[in-house]
Order: sequence, then structure tokens, then C-alpha cells
Amino acid sequence: QVQLQQWGAGLVKPSETLSLTCTVHGGSLSGYHWSWIRQVPGQGLEWIAEINNIGITNYSPSLKSRVTISVDTSKNQFSLKLTSVAAADTAVYYCAREGLKEMWGVFDYWGQGTLVSVSS
Amino acid sequence: EIVLTQSPGTLSLSPGERATLSCRASQRVSSNYLAWYQQKPGQAPRLLIFGASSRATGIPDRFSGSGSATDFTLTISRLEPEDFAVYYCQQYGGSPSYTFGQGTKLEIK
Repeated sequence: QVQLQQWGAGLVKPSETLSLTCTVHGGSLSGYHWSWIRQVPGQGLEWIAEINNIGITNYSPSLKSRVTISVDTSKNQFSLKLTSVAAADTAVYYCAREGLKEMWGVFDYWGQGTLVSVSS
Repeated sequence: EIVLTQSPGTLSLSPGERATLSCRASQRVSSNYLAWYQQKPGQAPRLLIFGASSRATGIPDRFSGSGSATDFTLTISRLEPEDFAVYYCQQYGGSPSYTFGQGTKLEIK
């Protein structure tokens, strides 16, 4: 059974960098795409970025200038960095796996979520 | 970017009733690449439907999806108490990004 375990700082100061990491347990990174998605409390879901095991990336146009997604296959992990954060970046951040073939872009496994607050 | 609009915003029904949730896209969704998720408070979303009408593994058959192009529907045939939650549609056919609807809250009447 695939499980995604994520961690990172829950409080980040304005203008600093948000960093989160997601470890995949019970499965390999290989062959899949892996994404980060966020949700402002009480609001909807926003896709941020995706990466595959060989490092091919795709970013949301609205966040592209501030986001970096990376992968470490030796640790079965992928990570998110979001620079120059502001209060509007306060959200629950989720890591997620995308399915294969016709399910590429469908999020079938999710991490537990990390609430990241941006505040001084 | 494809914008998804869900309606109604809130749906109040009783257990045993039928629920019909709508998702409308601002432009045609390629290959009917439309998914539905259920989210309960404090939990991550759970995949229900992909490809507009295919149920994900382990999803009860009271959940069904239909539609094509710009108009999609999630139907729950007979509501169980555990079905009251927020439901999101998501398109994955548009490049370069995936987008979600704003959600429909299904609450107990």
C-alpha cells in the first residue's frame, strides 16, 4: 500500500522560502508523476507543480516564477520550495501521486497535508 | 486555463436521497479528462471518479459520473451518512496546468 509522508516547517516568515518534502513508502517513484497541491483554509484546491522520477517538471503558470520542485530517487522523496512567501501563501500543502497512463493527472494517493502559515 | 464552475455551492439532502452535483468547464475538456474527489474535514481529498465516468478502486457503485465536453455530473444514488462532505471536480486535460472547481458542500438536511 502506497503511503505519502510529508514534512516541513509549519511557520514561515514573509519574504522567506517555504520548504516541504514528501517521502513515498510502499512504492517507487519510477514511472509516476508526483505533484504538490495546496488549499487555503476553507477554500478550494490549487495545483502547484509536478515532477517525474527523471526530473521532468511542469509548473502552474501563476506560481512558476517562485516554485521549484525536485526529486531525490535515492531517498524516494520529492520536494517543494516556494520563495518570497506572503500571507496569501498560507495554506495546507499536500503532496500527491498521479496515476499511470490514462490516469496521468489524476491524484490517486495523497499525503496527510501540512499547514504552512506565513507570519512574522 | 480551463475554469471549472461547480453547482450548487451547497446541497442539503437527507440520507437515502439522490444527489446530483454539476461541474461546468469554461472550454472543452480534452478526452473527458475530468475527475471527482470527496473531502471530509481535516482529511486529504479522496479520488472517486476519473475519465468522467470510471470509478476509482474501492469506490462504491452508488457513486457515478457522467458527461462530456463542458458539462459533467456526479451522482450519488442513495446517500449514506458518510457521504456528507465537500466534492471537487478537477480537469487534467488542459495544458500546462490542472485545475479544480470551487467545490460543492453536501450537507445533511
